[in-house]
Amino acid sequence: DAGITQSPRYKITETGRQVTLMCHQTWSHSYMFWYRQDLGHGLRLIYYSAAADITDKGEVPDGYVVSRSKTENFPLTLESATRSQTSVYFCASRERGVYNEQFFGPGTRLTVL
Amino acid sequence: DAKTTQPTSMDCAEGRAANLPCNHSTISGNEYVYWYRQIHSQGPQYIIHGLKNNETNEMASLIITEDRKSSTLILPHATLRDTAVYYCIVRVSNDMRFGAGTRLTVKP
Repeated sequence: DAGITQSPRYKITETGRQVTLMCHQTWSHSYMFWYRQDLGHGLRLIYYSAAADITDKGEVPDGYVVSRSKTENFPLTLESATRSQTSVYFCASRERGVYNEQFFGPGTRLTVL
Repeated sequence: DAKTTQPTSMDCAEGRAANLPCNHSTISGNEYVYWYRQIHSQGPQYIIHGLKNNETNEMASLIITEDRKSSTLILPHATLRDTAVYYCIVRVSNDMRFGAGTRLTVKP
């Protein structure tokens, strides 16, 4: 199906474990983004990527690692998960051109015990 | 990017127009105003954006004041499915800053 998908949709892990959240888009959009949303708050940008092999930090990058070897995929890795990283994670993508709209995935709900 | 101020919550009767205000008094000349909404726990959905002229699409209208210090999103005939959190964002960069938004509740 065309669009932007995230996997897994739900994940429970333990403190100190590594976990990777996947994001895949079928539009060949240049830009991809990772946000987190904590209960009752707006979204905060973690990392974004302008193209394959180009990534940049957002507002809250600490504790996260990203890579982008292919245009369509943008995985987000928590190398050593902490309880404060319990959140809902949204991936987004858009066409090149800073004024273009972003399309968001359905989100991954991550719980770190 | 400029900061925005929105009311925390609003109610609207089904079938009536919903007018959601946003203040962005520090907006700079090249910053656009964007509106997104988030229904329940879904990913945010783009609604509309504009620079200084009023804009309309199939979902909504965006009215930007002449001095660009505030704007209003108008949903002309609100339905129960429009119940959501609405975010007003002003930006020119890649970093889109979502505030707390306005929780709109459409009531039958």
